[in-house]
Amino acid sequence: DAKTTQPNSMESNEEEPVHLPCNHSTISGTDYIHWYRQLPSQGPEYVIHGLTSNVNNRMASLAIAEDRKSSTLILHRATLRDAAVYYCILRDYNTDKLIFGTGTRLQVFP
Amino acid sequence: EPEVTQTPSHQVTQMGQEVILRCVPISNHLYFYWYRQILGQKVEFLVSFYNNEISEKSEIFDDQFSVERPDGSNFTLKIRSTKLEDSAMYFCASRAQGTATGELFFGEGSRLTVL
Repeated sequence: DAKTTQPNSMESNEEEPVHLPCNHSTISGTDYIHWYRQLPSQGPEYVIHGLTSNVNNRMASLAIAEDRKSSTLILHRATLRDAAVYYCILRDYNTDKLIFGTGTRLQVFP
Repeated sequence: EPEVTQTPSHQVTQMGQEVILRCVPISNHLYFYWYRQILGQKVEFLVSFYNNEISEKSEIFDDQFSVERPDGSNFTLKIRSTKLEDSAMYFCASRAQGTATGELFFGEGSRLTVL
């Protein structure tokens, strides 16, 4: 399984943008980039995913580098509810499982 | 908003006992999964299930584990003879047809404590 590297933790103030980086230098052509988050005492929650192009949805934006070896999850205005562990996951099109790493723990301060 | 529901929220059992964890996936979803998370550790894939068959399973999912979709709405995980190391949060997830690369919806989890 292709591996991702994320910072262990990041901090933000409420209402500020947050850029969560992820490196995946061994990504293959059939890997989709998925982001999930896990709020305290809850199950993982889907955030966004993409293949090559940048993606936007109501929760976040995903910026994918041209060579696909890195990506950035962008929360446009952090809220206290966004405090969670954020997982960047490479999901091969040919498999149906998610391999979670240790993720980035995001703290949001009022 | 539709959601995946899991029961029980917490179960305490003695080592060697059988445990069944239950999940009700989102009603029009056809792909089902179990994951687990030992306290303080990563979320780990256990098994995926489609068309009444296991499609993938991890090394963790040994002969002590089984899954079943008994009635078209429930999806269960059975652990035949629990061990101390089975203590974890177990998450059920489901996915809609035609979203091979898309999102999984996770339940809130069932905490299993084996004494």
